[in-house]
Amino acid sequence: EVQLVESGGGLVKPGGSLSLSCAASGFSFSSYTMHWVRQAPGKGLEWVSSISRTSSYISYADSLEGRFTISRDNAKNSLSLQMHSLRAEDTAVYYCAKDSGISCSSTSCSYYFDNWGQGTLVTVSS
Amino acid sequence: DIQMTQSPSSLSASVGDRVTITCRASQSISTYLNWYQQKPGKAPKLLIYAASSLQSGVPSRFSGGGSGTDFTLTISSLQPEDFATYYCQQSYNTRTFGQGTKVEIK
Repeated sequence: EVQLVESGGGLVKPGGSLSLSCAASGFSFSSYTMHWVRQAPGKGLEWVSSISRTSSYISYADSLEGRFTISRDNAKNSLSLQMHSLRAEDTAVYYCAKDSGISCSSTSCSYYFDNWGQGTLVTVSS
Repeated sequence: DIQMTQSPSSLSASVGDRVTITCRASQSISTYLNWYQQKPGKAPKLLIYAASSLQSGVPSRFSGGGSGTDFTLTISSLQPEDFATYYCQQSYNTRTFGQGTKVEIK
């Protein structure tokens, strides 16, 4: 069974830093792209960042303005998100999500988030 | 970046109603479009991938359609457990979610 368990959330002051982790189990971690997705209280889902299997391809949402860094340790089956210069608008539940890899029916293809963690809450407030 | 626009933002419906949610991409995304259901306090659950493929275990009352820029999610006969928020999401270029559609009880 796939399990994704996030940790590291908490209360941090504006301008501060925080590091989130996601422990993965139940699948071949090194074979899949991984993602962070966040959800501010009462708001919608926002994709944050992705990292490919060997960390060769990394992407971020434009809204982050270079303040976040995603990384992974395939030997430890672990995904991380380092967050700096935090703002009130970064307050959210942060989910770790596994990518499906390319999935095709007879007529169409897509990538999707096929497994999610339970989320960890980050609160940025003075 | 590709923007995803869902409509409506919310709707009220009764059990047994047919419900359709639309999602429009700011550029063509072929069929790289997925639909998720989210209930309060829970992680999202995949319903439809590749625009029209039903995820294993999802009831057949859910269906998806479209390609290019315009997509739909249809629930043929709304059930009590379907009251939730629904999101479209593109995977053609990085990832983007629509703003969500909350389906409420009428």
